[in-house]
Amino acid sequence: DAGVTQSPTHLIKTRGQHVTLRCSPISGHKSVSWYQQVLGQGPQFIFQYYEKEERGRGNFPDRFSARQFPNYSSELNVNALLLGDSALYLCASSQVGTGGNDEQYFGPGTRLTVT
Amino acid sequence: AQKVTQAQTEISVVEKEDVTLDCVYETRDTTYYLFWYKQPPSGELVFLIRRNSFDEQNEISGRYSWNFQKSTSSFNFTITASQVVDSAVYFCALRGYSTLTFGKGTMLLVSP
Repeated sequence: DAGVTQSPTHLIKTRGQHVTLRCSPISGHKSVSWYQQVLGQGPQFIFQYYEKEERGRGNFPDRFSARQFPNYSSELNVNALLLGDSALYLCASSQVGTGGNDEQYFGPGTRLTVT
Repeated sequence: AQKVTQAQTEISVVEKEDVTLDCVYETRDTTYYLFWYKQPPSGELVFLIRRNSFDEQNEISGRYSWNFQKSTSSFNFTITASQVVDSAVYFCALRGYSTLTFGKGTMLLVSP
């Protein structure tokens, strides 16, 4: 079975632009979470979606938004890009999204560079 | 609020040395889960272990072992007889109901 896939792998944008990152969860998983990992730091939680509904949101500005589609894939959108948005964006999928036994599987990430 | 502290930013060892990575956590949840992930240079997070708050048994998996002590809120990770392939950033993480909170990671460099 395929793991979590993310596209694109790398992306270069300029300040002020908009970006859309995509994630396809493992087959059968209904929850997707997004994390931002700035260089030298641990991943920080951005959003979690389950069954197309937002279940949780981290401490990120409104420039960040996401959605989940009927096939459980997800998009993360970032508007008005800032230099500080440069990071590795990780997507994780899990079956139901709650409880510690609900293991999160991470994708390879999208590396976003804002110039 | 949840917090995970990995005080060691970087550790350098020579192959075959044993090394322990420290993790201290804070949470108000009575039920929680602790994790260790490995992140090689490729960037993908690789799951190593999960522990729930009711299970304080230490665990050994090959060269890896984990020591969970609830009394000190610590969940330390030891690699025995380290190898060059163990070089990576290691993250400790805590999960209550749904959100994973990561520490800042410890970079482990194993030289031949």
